[in-house]
Amino acid sequence: SQQGEEDPQALSIQEGENATMNCSYKTSINNLQWYRQNSGRGLVHLILIRSNEREKHSGRLRVTLDTSKKSSSLLITASRAADTASYFCATDGGMNTGFQKLVFGTGTRLLVSP
Amino acid sequence: EPEVTQTPSHQVTQMGQEVILRCVPISNHLYFYWYRQILGQKVEFLVSFYNNEISEKSEIFDDQFSVERPDGSNFTLKIRSTKLEDSAMYFCASGRGRVEYAQPQHFGDGTRLSIL
Repeated sequence: SQQGEEDPQALSIQEGENATMNCSYKTSINNLQWYRQNSGRGLVHLILIRSNEREKHSGRLRVTLDTSKKSSSLLITASRAADTASYFCATDGGMNTGFQKLVFGTGTRLLVSP
Repeated sequence: EPEVTQTPSHQVTQMGQEVILRCVPISNHLYFYWYRQILGQKVEFLVSFYNNEISEKSEIFDDQFSVERPDGSNFTLKIRSTKLEDSAMYFCASGRGRVEYAQPQHFGDGTRLSIL
């Protein structure tokens, strides 16, 4: 089964700095999504990138996708303390699963200090 | 903005007891899901539900688990005879369309299930 792995597992930065998180996956996908999870809360959808896209922007977020390397990165620019959360990549499960479900990575815990 | 709501937020149950976790998906969504997250681990898919039937389930979703959409708004997950290893955060999610068609899923805040 497909696994997503995020890197780094934890990231600690100062407000105003940029944060970059990476995700790798193993099978072919139709799309990849990034979610944020605040402590004790549900997952919030941030951005989705299709397999035929290489880069996508949404506000302070930039996502890249390299299907040849089966990897994606999420860049948060000009970070704020409110960005402190865990960030997960999720893929559509790949062909063998019928693309029905989200398969989540292990997550990156981001801490942004004021 | 419409939200997925889950109740209760925390459920404490004795091992062997039945538990029902409840969810109200977003009203115009057609696809419904349950996931779980054991403390410190990945979010894991349990089951997807569309058109009043299960469309996919994981190996975790064994005969002890069942889902139901008893009316037009609720979506429930039942665990018939809970085990200690069922202790986890359970998330309900809904979506307008299939994941493969680039539709995001919207998650509730979860039910923390603690089995004693």
